[in-house]
Amino acid sequence: AQTVTQSQPEMSVQEAETVTLSCTYDTSENNYYLFWYKQPPSRQMILVIRQEAYKQQNATENRFSVNFQKAAKSFSLKISDSQLGDTAMYFCAFMKLYSGNTGKLIFGQGTTLQVKP
Amino acid sequence: DTGVSQNPRHKITKRGQNVTFRCDPISEHNRLYWYRQTLGQGPEFLTYFQNEAQLEKSRLLSDRFSAERPKGSFSTLEIQRTEQGDSAMYLCASSLGGPGAGYEQYFGPGTRLTVT
Repeated sequence: AQTVTQSQPEMSVQEAETVTLSCTYDTSENNYYLFWYKQPPSRQMILVIRQEAYKQQNATENRFSVNFQKAAKSFSLKISDSQLGDTAMYFCAFMKLYSGNTGKLIFGQGTTLQVKP
Repeated sequence: DTGVSQNPRHKITKRGQNVTFRCDPISEHNRLYWYRQTLGQGPEFLTYFQNEAQLEKSRLLSDRFSAERPKGSFSTLEIQRTEQGDSAMYLCASSLGGPGAGYEQYFGPGTRLTVT
């Protein structure tokens, strides 16, 4: 069975600074996707960034980038130039890929990020 | 495209009552998921539909839970004889499956259930 672990329950960062959220996972699969989702207070979850395990290049989406270390089973999220709107709970999620896969997500426990003015 | 919608947004019920939640996915999405999220935790997978077929159910989904997706459009999740442990946020998500699909799931706002 796959597991996802986020060891930082809470983090804070000053506006305009950079912060890194950690995620590790355990799987025997070789083909999978990893995701970071953002859940703002009282708002719905939205996708921040996605990484395909077969790609060596780290994914980047504007101010968000990941450090994907497949051998170490590590998938951290870096937020540059933090903005007040980045305040949210962030979830790391795993999805295994195989023929006929259901696409269900396995989530970590989440990290609450507060961006301070 | 208005995104994934869920109704009701909040539900308070007494222990032992039955409740039903509805999810309307993004119209062209053939995959639909239900997750349960308790306070301060990540969502946990409950069940999955591809079109109208329910193809996977978690062990978390006890006999008191049933889900349907008639005609492959909206979905309902019913909980019978609710217990206090059922109090949680119930999230629905949809995605477009098939070759070339990005597997990205789009989430609804959730239904918060409180069992008193």
